Amino acid sequence: EAQVTQNPRYLITVTGKKLTVTCSQNMNHEYMSWYRQDPGLGLRQIYYSMNVEVTDKGDVPEGYKVSRKEKRNFPLILESPSPNQTSLYFCASRPLQAGSHGYTFGSGTRLTVV
Amino acid sequence: SQQGEEDPQALSIQEGENATMNCSYKTSINNLQWYRQNSGRGLVHLILIRSNEREKHSGRLRVTLDTSKKSSSLLITASRAADTASYFCAPGQNFVFGPGTRLSVLP
Repeated sequence: EAQVTQNPRYLITVTGKKLTVTCSQNMNHEYMSWYRQDPGLGLRQIYYSMNVEVTDKGDVPEGYKVSRKEKRNFPLILESPSPNQTSLYFCASRPLQAGSHGYTFGSGTRLTVV
Repeated sequence: SQQGEEDPQALSIQEGENATMNCSYKTSINNLQWYRQNSGRGLVHLILIRSNEREKHSGRLRVTLDTSKKSSSLLITASRAADTASYFCAPGQNFVFGPGTRLSVLP
């Protein structure tokens, strides 16, 4: 089954403790992206990647890092999480030319930073 | 990158009624997509309409695109309780999502 897999689904952590949210897709998509979703603000793009070793900032990159060492994986790293990073996070992937398929989204990671 | 603005923010209807939600955007686009999100879950791609298309159908979904008015509409006919979700439009290739329309379909 074609899918984007995010882990973990839920995460509660303390301020300053480094964490990684993993994302993996099995569709051989070039383009991968991370979003955060907060009430009333829609989805805001954090980082995206157009291919292996190619990453770029989205609209809200501060406090986050990403890497794209392999085509299928695009982990999101919070080096020193803060409470304002409490949010619902989504990873998504698509072909580089979107065509008629659009994004495939993961199930989300609900992160709470206390 | 531009964001679509969905309207209304919230919509509540009875099962069997039609639901219409709108999307406006600011700059010219090659295509526009609609997505659905069930509570707390990932978005699901519903339909893509290209700039040279005025209307597109998929099952109970009907999408229109008016490039002169820079607007699109999503119509869900004969709605069901399972259609309760948030709906988002994404104009253009940059996939920027607005706050969405929260649709509640009451049994």
